[in-house]
Amino acid sequence: NAGVTQTPKFQVLKTGQSMTLQCAQDMNHNSMYWYRQDPGMGLRLIYYSASEGTTDKGEVPNGYNVSRLNKREFSLRLESAAPSQTSVYFCASSDGELGTQYFGPGTRLLVL
Amino acid sequence: AQKVTQAQTEISVVEKEDVTLDCVYETRDTTYYLFWYKQPPSGELVFLIRRNSFDEQNEISGRYSWNFQKSTSSFNFTITASQVVDSAVYFCALSEAGGSARQLTFGSGTQLTVLP
Repeated sequence: NAGVTQTPKFQVLKTGQSMTLQCAQDMNHNSMYWYRQDPGMGLRLIYYSASEGTTDKGEVPNGYNVSRLNKREFSLRLESAAPSQTSVYFCASSDGELGTQYFGPGTRLLVL
Repeated sequence: AQKVTQAQTEISVVEKEDVTLDCVYETRDTTYYLFWYKQPPSGELVFLIRRNSFDEQNEISGRYSWNFQKSTSSFNFTITASQVVDSAVYFCALSEAGGSARQLTFGSGTQLTVLP
């Protein structure tokens, strides 16, 4: 099992460009999450999906949209990238009942 | 709202020393879960332990041990006989029970450096 995979690993964007970060999990988990990690601030939740077909905002949702494509895949879209969105983005999944979240390797995004 | 505080931003020890990483949390729920994650220099987040609020027993796993005290809202992590490979950022996190998706609130992390 690959666990949680994310693509791309690294991306450079210009201000105003759009892009989609992809996430997939093969653990048959119901819940999936997107976090961003900034220096000195730990991880902050952007959006989550409790189950296929549902999505909810987290702590810092502005400037992002998500799609739960199916049980395996959860994508994060930046419609018009801004320098403030320069960060490392982590996707995670969990078996909702147990609550332990398992993380992907992260995507490093630089917005110029 | 829930909150996790890791007051130690950086800790540096010499190999074989014991080191304790502090974690203090705030929550209004009576049922909650606490976690520790490790982030080595390679950047991935590695799950270490989960503890629920009803279980205050301390836990030991090899060189790692965890001390959960509800009375002080703390969930501290001790590494015994530290090794260079323990160098990483360690995050404490909290989630509240209820609902089908557990939202994690992370502390800001403690950078541990173990010197040879």
